[in-house]
Amino acid sequence: GESVGLHLPTLSVQEGDNSIINCAYSNSASDYFIWYKQESGKGPQFIIDIRSNMDKRQGQRVTVLLNKTVKHLSLQIAATQPGDSAVYFCAELFSNTGNQFYFGTGTSLTVIP
Amino acid sequence: KAGVTQTPRYLIKTRGQQVTLSCSPISGHRSVSWYQQTPGQGLQFLFEYFSETQRNKGNFPGRFSGRQFSNSRSEMNVSTLELGDSALYLCASSTSPDQPQHFGDGTRLSIL
Repeated sequence: GESVGLHLPTLSVQEGDNSIINCAYSNSASDYFIWYKQESGKGPQFIIDIRSNMDKRQGQRVTVLLNKTVKHLSLQIAATQPGDSAVYFCAELFSNTGNQFYFGTGTSLTVIP
Repeated sequence: KAGVTQTPRYLIKTRGQQVTLSCSPISGHRSVSWYQQTPGQGLQFLFEYFSETQRNKGNFPGRFSGRQFSNSRSEMNVSTLELGDSALYLCASSTSPDQPQHFGDGTRLSIL
């Protein structure tokens, strides 16, 4: 999982397997969440988002699950490919502080061919 | 549609100097946010501008400042640079503050 200020978690998966990346967010009032992917030398790239009125949202090969009870967010990547190797961040939107996004420290995903 | 453009990509400065970084948002995006990214602290929010007004500011000293122009382009300035200011500075734009942010590839600032 992710927590601000801690050592970057790592996850290694075999090519073709499914990956699950977790994120524990901090504010129960957060109502919008985004997953980003950051490759070396590049800025974060939007993957998928979810609003707090939803529990699940699917994209192409990715699914985001939101559990508001335990303030937990997960990103599932199906059939992981070498190009999925990157650092993944979750971001939560604090609407009550004027729409400011807060980011976790990220999880480093390595796909083994 | 062109993405967020940040210039320069790399910058080397010495302590005590000042620096100005530039960000051109995606066309039509009026909200611009700046972040500092370091290995130990992750992405730290600096400030956010919408329609030329600073709406939010993170917990950074007054040496860090920014502005947004009428065409939504934004600049951030850091004065009296310190070694600890070495970081990747990222700019993100969105149509409005509560919409997905799209990032540029950042400016890598190194302080000697």
